[in-house]
Amino acid sequence: EAGVVQSPRYKIIEKKQPVAFWCNPISGHNTLYWYLQNLGQGPELLIRYENEEAVDDSQLPKDRFSAERLKGVDSTLKIQPAELGDSAVYLCASSFRGLADYNEQFFGPGTRLTVL
Amino acid sequence: AQSVTQLGSHVSVSEGALVLLRCNYSSSVPPYLFWYVQYPNQGLQLLLKYTTGATLVKGINGFEAEFKKSETSFHLTKPSAHMSDAAEYFCAVSAYGNEKLTFGTGTRLTIIP
Repeated sequence: EAGVVQSPRYKIIEKKQPVAFWCNPISGHNTLYWYLQNLGQGPELLIRYENEEAVDDSQLPKDRFSAERLKGVDSTLKIQPAELGDSAVYLCASSFRGLADYNEQFFGPGTRLTVL
Repeated sequence: AQSVTQLGSHVSVSEGALVLLRCNYSSSVPPYLFWYVQYPNQGLQLLLKYTTGATLVKGINGFEAEFKKSETSFHLTKPSAHMSDAAEYFCAVSAYGNEKLTFGTGTRLTIIP
């Protein structure tokens, strides 16, 4: 079974440029997460989707970040314009929200963004 | 609200020695606790988790952890380190019924041959 797929794996851009990251979750997973991982830190949740609906976006900086999950499958995270401080790894994860009280999150390899 | 403190950003052990990675948590509700491992340029992989029931939980690759409510700890151990255990380890907490994970800052484990 294929895992969570993210692209690109690496991206280098100049500040003020836009950038987009793409995530394809594990087939059948209805919940999708975007995390930000700064160097030397643990991941921090940016946004969580249940199917097409963003159910937790309280940590997403909405002035420059946006996300979408059309048709409840793939998702795109966009930054416009990028700032130097956005250099980090952006992780996507997915899970199947069923009847269990906890549903394991499976992580993709991440996209490493460098803003120059 | 939940938080996690991992003591020691870097830990080095000799191959074959005991691995002990420390994690203390804070939670206003009964916690779910997790250990994840991250190899270079890869995503996070779940090692083990505590939700309810037995406080000693066993995970993959010979790791185990014990939930100690009185000490608010969830330390990760492995009796005998292997070179392949070299990686970054993250402790995480979530509240019952809430899938939002709060991670610690991580511990980089180095294995000395």
